[in-house]
Amino acid sequence: EVQLVESGGGLVQPGGSLRLSCAASGFSFSTFWMNWARQAPGKGPEWVVNIRQDGGEIYYVNSVKGRFTVSRDNAKSSLHLQMNSLRAEDTAVYYCVGYYYETSGYPVPYWGQGTLVTVSS
Amino acid sequence: DIQMTQSTPSVSASVGDRVDISCRASQDIGSWVVWYQQKAGKGPKLLIYAASTLQTGVPSRFSGSGSGTDFTLTISSLQSEDFATYYCQQAISFPWTFGQGTKVEI
Repeated sequence: EVQLVESGGGLVQPGGSLRLSCAASGFSFSTFWMNWARQAPGKGPEWVVNIRQDGGEIYYVNSVKGRFTVSRDNAKSSLHLQMNSLRAEDTAVYYCVGYYYETSGYPVPYWGQGTLVTVSS
Repeated sequence: DIQMTQSTPSVSASVGDRVDISCRASQDIGSWVVWYQQKAGKGPKLLIYAASTLQTGVPSRFSGSGSGTDFTLTISSLQSEDFATYYCQQAISFPWTFGQGTKVEI
């Protein structure tokens, strides 16, 4: 069973930094694209970043470019998100998401339970 | 970015009802649509991918249809555990984008 467990969330002041982690188990981590998504209170989800299996392709949503950095460690089945220059609008539950492409070519995503990040003074 | 629109924010229904939830893409996305169910305090749960393929373990009362720009999630006979918010998402190009959600409530 695919399991994704996020950690590292908390309260941080505007302009501060936070590092999120995701521990993966139950599947071959190195064969999955990995992502971070977020959901602000009362809003729908928003994709934040995708990273390819080998880390060779990374896509960020415009609102976090230059501030957030994703990384993965395939040997440890872990995913990380370094968040700098945090803003109030970054307040959200952050989800670790993994997906593979099934035989027809379509992605099949799995989500963790999320970790809350609150940016406030 | 591709916009996904769920024009109905909420639907009132009763146990046993058929419920259709619609989603429209701002451009042709073929069958690159995923549907999720989300309950309070939980992460989204995958229901359907590739517009109409039921994820393993999801009850057969859920089904998906459509291609191109118009998509529908159907619950054939609503059960009490189905009261939740449903989101569509396009998976054809980054950044993947979501609809605003449709809440199914009593």
